[in-house]
Amino acid sequence: SYELTQPPSVSVSPGQTASITCSGDKLGAKYASWYQQKPGQSPLLVIYQDTKRPSGIPERFSGSNSGNTATLTISETQSMDEADYYCQAWDSSTANYVFGTGTKVTVL
Amino acid sequence: VQLVESGGGLVQSGGSLRLSCAASGFTFSNFWMNWVRQAPGKGLEWVAKIKQDGSEKYYVDSVKGRFTISRDNAKNSVYLQMNIAAAEDTAVYYCARDYYCSGGTCSLDYWGRGTLVTVSS
Repeated sequence: SYELTQPPSVSVSPGQTASITCSGDKLGAKYASWYQQKPGQSPLLVIYQDTKRPSGIPERFSGSNSGNTATLTISETQSMDEADYYCQAWDSSTANYVFGTGTKVTVL
Repeated sequence: VQLVESGGGLVQSGGSLRLSCAASGFTFSNFWMNWVRQAPGKGLEWVAKIKQDGSEKYYVDSVKGRFTISRDNAKNSVYLQMNIAAAEDTAVYYCARDYYCSGGTCSLDYWGRGTLVTVSS
């Protein structure tokens, strides 16, 4: 089955840039989405179709996807960005959505 | 847009439970719908999705043959019938809407608050 692998944790200082990677076989040939989940809350879509932001998502969130890796970048990171982040893609061979393993972002 | 799940609770191993998700604020019959679950302290796992008219359904392997997704467009609701429940099915179950679709794939743009299912052995 298709798998998406993320680093368990990323630490960043306030105002700095955080990068979260998501690795999967030929992931660049698929669209990647990213979700933010804060404790006790439902996931929130922050990036879709690799690079696009839904209405209301701050410009400091950006995405890229090439080769085997998709990346979520948070610029000028704020304490409110502290959360778990999950990537997601569609595996057409199984007709399944697949979520990444998740990354906890800590703003120190 | 609002999605409200219900029907969660405690079920014995091998038992059954039916989850419901009531949708409002959009034309429900125009969208694929999904169930996604999250075991306590764990990551997200997609469970199932259903086409607008119910004619196509897809499941993660771990629930095939045990869970059934269905919908009632007249009631703006999507359901998840859980049979032969197992301990590993213990999770918060979210319903979510497909949106931003392109190239055969979509993102999940709206999520409910979830309903907790606990399977006891």
